[in-house]
Amino acid sequence: DAMVIQNPRYQVTQFGKPVTLSCSQTLNHNVMYWYQQKSSQAPKLLFHYYDKDFNNEADTPDNFQSRRPNTSFCFLDIRSPGLGDAAMYLCATSKTSGRPGADTQYFGPGTRLTVL
Amino acid sequence: GQNIDQPTEMTATEGAIVQINCTYQTSGFNGLFWYQQHAGEAPTFLSYNVLDGLEEKGRFSSFLSRSKGYSYLLLKELQMKDSASYLCAVSRDKLIFGTGTRLQVFP
Repeated sequence: DAMVIQNPRYQVTQFGKPVTLSCSQTLNHNVMYWYQQKSSQAPKLLFHYYDKDFNNEADTPDNFQSRRPNTSFCFLDIRSPGLGDAAMYLCATSKTSGRPGADTQYFGPGTRLTVL
Repeated sequence: GQNIDQPTEMTATEGAIVQINCTYQTSGFNGLFWYQQHAGEAPTFLSYNVLDGLEEKGRFSSFLSRSKGYSYLLLKELQMKDSASYLCAVSRDKLIFGTGTRLQVFP
């Protein structure tokens, strides 16, 4: 089945120790997104790739970076995780229909990050 | 700015009908999505409304009134597995999510 895969599902890191979360998709969608979701809060968009074009949200901290080496894979790098970065990180994909904002996003299962 | 409001929690009984409301004020609007999210899992797509009116899909229906900035998700014949959070999301150039309504279904 076509899907969005995130690894690992659970990640524990230490304060200040860089961590990378990965996302892959078999849907062949051209847009990939990274969201941060804290407990009982709405998912918050960090950035997205439209094909190879990187689009950062204005309020995304510099501590968060992303890479998309090819259509299928996208990585989220947290350079120096703080306690406040503990959250669920959701990857999503969509296929552009030509109608901005109208594209259904398909989410991966998420990576729950714990910062000690 | 943008503001999306949903009730925080709702409870209902198995077999019943429940309506989850969402009101929004956003700068720009292309449509409105509803997602279901079980605890600790990813959101899954339920419905998308772009025109006013009711969209029915099995036990779930979604309604939109663009002039009133209002939508609701109607769940019929509730089952225990419907216990989850339901996220309303306004579509602009990106998705703006509400904080979700946590629905608990009791036997």
